[in-house]
Amino acid sequence: SQQGEEDPQALSIQEGENATMNCSYKTSINNLQWYRQNSGRGLVHLILIRSNEREKHSGRLRVTLDTSKKSSSLLITASRAADTASYFCATDNQGGKLIFGQGTELSVKP
Amino acid sequence: ETGVTQTPRHLVMGMTNKKSLKCEQHLGHNAMYWYKQSAKKPLELMFVYSLEERVENNSVPSRFSPECPNSSHLFLHLHTLQPEDSALYLCASSQDVWGPDTGELFFGEGSRLTVL
Repeated sequence: SQQGEEDPQALSIQEGENATMNCSYKTSINNLQWYRQNSGRGLVHLILIRSNEREKHSGRLRVTLDTSKKSSSLLITASRAADTASYFCATDNQGGKLIFGQGTELSVKP
Repeated sequence: ETGVTQTPRHLVMGMTNKKSLKCEQHLGHNAMYWYKQSAKKPLELMFVYSLEERVENNSVPSRFSPECPNSSHLFLHLHTLQPEDSALYLCASSQDVWGPDTGELFFGEGSRLTVL
């Protein structure tokens, strides 16, 4: 069964605005990862947050993790047209297997 | 040279053809994976190899046959496919296979397969 589910499925914003995507999961995890995929390309790892961490930053990216609510959010600040892509969360289930959600399609309009 | 290279990038085949997808990783990783990505669906894990040994086969039909001759190369042999097998096939690698502390996956650019 699907472990991570992203919300919203699609998001359209103007350049310069912030974009927030959410991920919910069902079972206990060791870590949660976020990936980005440009149309028709491979996935690129963005950030990994461990279950004992609550927040992590990488450039314009900010990830939070709330294990009590089994949810995570990815915030992209001051978005650019080049941020247009699909964003996936991935969680590890028992045994460490990575399970991906369906993703959020982000469109940043210039 | 990118870390994970997949060839071909695009493939069109008939249902009676036999073809292969190739993946090569230059990262010195021990684990390699095949994922299938269909439109509007989550990534589906197909096969996992650790040090050339298959450790996961996710109920994939036998018309898909993986091969891992060494820790740097992974193949997916295709025969008598169906139109619903049309998808983006992604290869990935990681330092080690899943464990208590799963690390990041490094993906190739994918092979876009169309079955007529």
